[in-house]
Amino acid sequence: AQTVTQSQPEMSVQEAETVTLSCTYDTSESDYYLFWYKQPPSRQMILVIRQEAYKQQNATENRFSVNFQKAAKSFSLKISDSQLGDAAMYFCAYRSSSGSARQLTFGSGTQLTVLP
Amino acid sequence: SAVISQKPSRDICQRGTSLTIQCQVDSQVTMMFWYRQQPGQSLTLIATANQGSEATYESGFVIDKFPISRPNLTFSTLTVSNMSPEDSSIYLCSVVSPGFSGANVLTFGAGSRLTVL
Repeated sequence: AQTVTQSQPEMSVQEAETVTLSCTYDTSESDYYLFWYKQPPSRQMILVIRQEAYKQQNATENRFSVNFQKAAKSFSLKISDSQLGDAAMYFCAYRSSSGSARQLTFGSGTQLTVLP
Repeated sequence: SAVISQKPSRDICQRGTSLTIQCQVDSQVTMMFWYRQQPGQSLTLIATANQGSEATYESGFVIDKFPISRPNLTFSTLTVSNMSPEDSSIYLCSVVSPGFSGANVLTFGAGSRLTVL
């Protein structure tokens, strides 16, 4: 079974600075998808970024980018120019490319605090 | 992506009672998913609500405790039955909808926070 590990329960960053959230996963599959979701205090889970394992290029969405290291099974999220609105719980998630959406496996989350 | 409305957004319930959570989507979807997020923890899939057939439950979750209805392609309900304090959680509805680059991704509602006394 796949597992997703987020080893940082809490992180903090100064506004306008850069922060990196770590995520590792364990799988025997070669093709899969990785996601970062954000859950602010409003509880609305928002997809931040998505990466296909077969793509070598790291995904980027505005200030959010990932460092995808397939061999190391690592999928970290970098937030540049941090803003107060980035404060949230961030979840890393895995899905097999052969599985249905129900087979999304979440990590335990990292609580990000942005300091003014 | 799809817009999902859940209600209630929060409720305080007495032990032994049941509460039904509603999930409305602004577009027709084949599958709707119900997740539970216990305090300080990650999301766990409870079941998949299928239109026209019984819900598919994940290991550890049973229909008697979490009955689900799916009367049409835009609506579903989850009932938490005979509640105990251990059922205090956030319950989230989600659907698969187009996301980045047109790929299908899970979109979530804002969740329903239940506190059982």
